[in-house]
Amino acid sequence: DAEITQSPRHKITETGRQVTLACHQTWNHNNMFWYRQDLGHGLRLIHYSYGVQDTNKGEVSDGYSVSRSNTEDLPLTLESAASSQTSVYFCASSEGTGESDTQYFGPGTRLTVL
Amino acid sequence: GQNIDQPTEMTATEGAIVQINCTYQTSGFNGLFWYQQHAGEAPTFLSYNVLDGLEEKGRFSSFLSRSKGYSYLLLKELQMKDSASYLCAVKDGDYKLSFGAGTTVTVRA
Repeated sequence: DAEITQSPRHKITETGRQVTLACHQTWNHNNMFWYRQDLGHGLRLIHYSYGVQDTNKGEVSDGYSVSRSNTEDLPLTLESAASSQTSVYFCASSEGTGESDTQYFGPGTRLTVL
Repeated sequence: GQNIDQPTEMTATEGAIVQINCTYQTSGFNGLFWYQQHAGEAPTFLSYNVLDGLEEKGRFSSFLSRSKGYSYLLLKELQMKDSASYLCAVKDGDYKLSFGAGTTVTVRA
């Protein structure tokens, strides 16, 4: 069955370290998204991509980067982790066509920055 | 910009009905989604509205009024497993979603 996976599911790191969170989808979806979820804020968009070699900044992109070298993967990199980046990170994908273009979410990565 | 408001918490009794309201002010509108999220899990798609009116899907219904910037999610015949957060999200002119902070629904026996 097609799916969207994230790894690792849990990560503890130290301030200043570079961290990469993986997202892989097997639906062949054009669009991929990264969100963070914090209490009281809901889901906030970090970066998104509408296809290979396309990346765009979301509302909370500072300190994060993404690259899209193939359809299936959109890794999220924290260049120099900060305590403010402790959060739960969700990746999502959508087909990129059709009226609703529903986004489907991965299981999430809980990141703690000490 | 996007401004999406929904109540923080609601409590209801098993078998009852609960209505979760969502109001929005957005720079673009191309549909409204409701997602369900159980604690520690990913959001899962519940419903999509782009035209005014009511969409019914089993025990769950969703309503949209574009002129009022208003939607609600109606949960009928509540079950314990319906205890979760419910997220309202608006799609803008591209494919991006803007989410409300979510409404935590607690179902009591």
